Amino acid sequence: GAVVSQHPSWVICKSGTSVKIECRSLDFQATTMFWYRQFPKQSLMLMATSNEGSKATYEQGVEKDKFLINHASLTLSTLTVTSAHPEDSSFYICSARTSGRSGGGELFFGEGSRLTVL
Amino acid sequence: QKEVEQNSGPLSVPEGAIASLNCTYSDRGSQSFFWYRQYSGKSPELIMFIYSNGDKEDGRFTAQLNKASQYVSLLIRDSQPSDSATYLCAVNRGSNYKLTFGKGTLLTVNP
Repeated sequence: GAVVSQHPSWVICKSGTSVKIECRSLDFQATTMFWYRQFPKQSLMLMATSNEGSKATYEQGVEKDKFLINHASLTLSTLTVTSAHPEDSSFYICSARTSGRSGGGELFFGEGSRLTVL
Repeated sequence: QKEVEQNSGPLSVPEGAIASLNCTYSDRGSQSFFWYRQYSGKSPELIMFIYSNGDKEDGRFTAQLNKASQYVSLLIRDSQPSDSATYLCAVNRGSNYKLTFGKGTLLTVNP
């Protein structure tokens, strides 16, 4: 099956710093990628939809200036958590959608990136 | 009202038994339904998806969908200890793959 890779898997940073997380589709082109956040024992919450070559679409309540998303190519989307604070500590997961022959496609998840802000 | 509801569990079954996981959803416009398995500290992996009312079988797994009751379930036959994980139900209204997830049900299969 298709592979989606995230980097880094773990990151620990000081409060106030910015952290960039990469999401790559390794063997397919993904026009659309999704970024989720998951707090312990909670469900995955969709943060934003990342579209190649255009601005990301953010879900209600997600600060676009704090969570910067760039989808510069068909295989790479990045999420930058700016001025991170301890409450931003979470498990960030990306997913990428394959094109599919009839416009459908499948959704594959990356391995996730665990962010801890001290 | 939560959009996708699951019993958080834990659901504990003996090895070899049938595990039954349930999910209800509030949006009647939901069109596609997914079951994911998530091991602790890992990202979700797709087990099955279902679009039409009725049953869909894949190996030891059977998904059941009842749109009138807004209910979807997952049956795991011959449960194995390796099936112990959190099972996430997810629904999608359209074809845009913007999934709404439930909190998940923790399943423990005892040897």
